[in-house]
Formats: sequence, C-alpha cells, structure tokens
Amino acid sequence: EAGVTQFPSHSVIEKGQTVTLRCDPISGHDNLYWYRRVMGKEIKFLLHFVKESKQDESGMPNNRFLAERTGGTYSTLKVQPAELEDSGVYFCASSQVPQETQYFGPGTRLLVL
Amino acid sequence: LAKTTQPISMDSYEGQEVNITCSHNNIATNDYITWYQQFPSQGPRFIIQGYKTKVTNEVASLFIPADRKSSTLSLPRVSLSDTAVYYCLVGGFSGGYNKLIFGAGTRLAVHP
Repeated sequence: EAGVTQFPSHSVIEKGQTVTLRCDPISGHDNLYWYRRVMGKEIKFLLHFVKESKQDESGMPNNRFLAERTGGTYSTLKVQPAELEDSGVYFCASSQVPQETQYFGPGTRLLVL
Repeated sequence: LAKTTQPISMDSYEGQEVNITCSHNNIATNDYITWYQQFPSQGPRFIIQGYKTKVTNEVASLFIPADRKSSTLSLPRVSLSDTAVYYCLVGGFSGGYNKLIFGAGTRLAVHP
C-alpha cells in the first residue's frame, strides 16, 4: 500500500510568487493534516481536513495560505504571495480516523528567495 | 495540551539499549503518550503509543509509571540506522480530532 506522497519534493521560488503544494493521503484515509517546520523551529500544525471539510485550521499563519481538498481525496496548499519567512518543510499526514496514528509524507522543502 | 520535556541529544553505541525519558507533568486524564521517529529528509514516523504501564512492539518499548508524569522510550540493541530525532507527544483524542504538537525532540546519535 502506498504511503502519503507529496509533490514537489523541493521548490525554490522568489518572494512574491505563488507556490502550490500537493498531498496525496493514504487511500481511504478521510483525515488529512498539514504541518510545517520553518527554519530552526519545531514542527507546527497548520490544519486538519475530514474528507473535504476543514475541521481545524487554527494553525494557518495568515490569509496568504489556502488549503483545499476538493472531493475529499488529495489536498493542495497554496501560498500566495510567498514571503521569505514561509521557507521551511511542509509535511502532510493522514489517518483513517482522528484517534488513530498519523502517517506522514516525506515533506516538501520550500525555499523562498 | 500537555507540554513535554526531553533531552536535546543523546549518544550511544551499536548494540546498546537506549532509554529516552520524557517529562509531561501536566498530562491530562484522557491524554495518550506517543513517540515518533524522524530521519533526515523524511517525515515523522510513528513508533509507539501508550496510556499507562508498559507497551511493547517490534520496534520499541514504552514504560509509563503510575502517575503518568513521565514516560521512557526504550530501544533495544540500537544500530547505526536508529540515528534519528525522537519526539515525545502527549495529547488527547477527544473532540473528534488529533492535532499533534511536536517539541524539539531528542537527537540520538548511534556510533560504531
């Protein structure tokens, strides 16, 4: 069974540009989470989808970040416009039910210049 | 959610048993204790989870004393491939969601 996949693995963009990150959860997992680690900091929760609905988006830093999960399958996280402080690693995780183990993807390394 | 405290780093040698202790003095009644492992350039990977006493799986053991204010992850006979960052997380699963809160973790280095 395939694990959580994320695309791209790396992205280098200039300040002010737009970047869209994609996450494909494990098949059948209704719960999808986004986390990120910015430079020198700890991994922080961004938001949680249950199917296509946002269950908790309390960790989203500001309105430059937009997460979607149309159809309840894969999810995208768009950063527009990107700022220097957005650089870091963005992780996606999924679980079958909220109380169960979260399985993480390898992350997308974003560098904003 | 309960805050956790764990060593910043540890060193060990191949074949030794490694014990990483995590303090969580403010753990709530419905909180579970979960440990994740993270290798460079990878996402965190679930190792083990427990509520009280002892839990063992094919990878590790988790010891939780009666007061649950701390827990110890035990890795038997470590190898070089166990070099990683280990995170102790404490949280409840009420409210229909599970928001993991990561601390700085313990950076374990296993030497030949």
